[in-house]
Amino acid sequence: AQSVTQLGSHVSVSEGALVLLRCNYSSSVPPYLFWYVQYPNQGLQLLLKYTTGATLVKGINGFEAEFKKSETSFHLTKPSAHMSDAAEYFCAVKRNTGFQKLVFGTGTRLLVSP
Amino acid sequence: DGGITQSPKYLFRKEGQNVTLSCEQNLNHDAMYWYRQDPGQGLRLIYYSQIVNDFQKGDIAEGYSVSREKKESFPLTVTSAQKNPTAFYLCASSIDWGTKNIQYFGAGTRLSVL
Repeated sequence: AQSVTQLGSHVSVSEGALVLLRCNYSSSVPPYLFWYVQYPNQGLQLLLKYTTGATLVKGINGFEAEFKKSETSFHLTKPSAHMSDAAEYFCAVKRNTGFQKLVFGTGTRLLVSP
Repeated sequence: DGGITQSPKYLFRKEGQNVTLSCEQNLNHDAMYWYRQDPGQGLRLIYYSQIVNDFQKGDIAEGYSVSREKKESFPLTVTSAQKNPTAFYLCASSIDWGTKNIQYFGAGTRLSVL
């Protein structure tokens, strides 16, 4: 079965600093991986996804993530944090064959200070 | 604009009462999903529907029921059997149930118990 672990329920950075949100997955077959963002009292919005091909994936709002099979990781990064990046971020995995549910991590809340 | 509409935004349930959460999409998507979100637990799948007139239980279906009589609509009923209904409920849809397809989310309904 697939699973996702997000290290750190809260991450605090200063505006302009590097953002690094960690995600490790477990999957017996090559996975499809996703990062979603959620602003308070709103639904989830897709930031980026990895299915096949290039392992460095660029998403919206300047975020990117790199699929590292050897480390079973899909960490989310952004070179310079902005106040508007403050939100909760969810990593999710889906098996790449047949219908499989989207399995979410427990989320990481990003706090950005001026 | 196409999207997913959830209503109401806030809902209160009395003891022993059934309540129904609405989810409507105009994206012409075949697949629809209901998730429950609790603090620190990420999103958990309640029910999903791959096509009209068909639906399947997710991980936490007990105390919930759904119907899928129209492609656009996937209402969720929280029954009196659900003893801890307080949560944020999110509806999602995807083009079909294929593995690459992205799930798009509504803005959610926050359910509380009076």
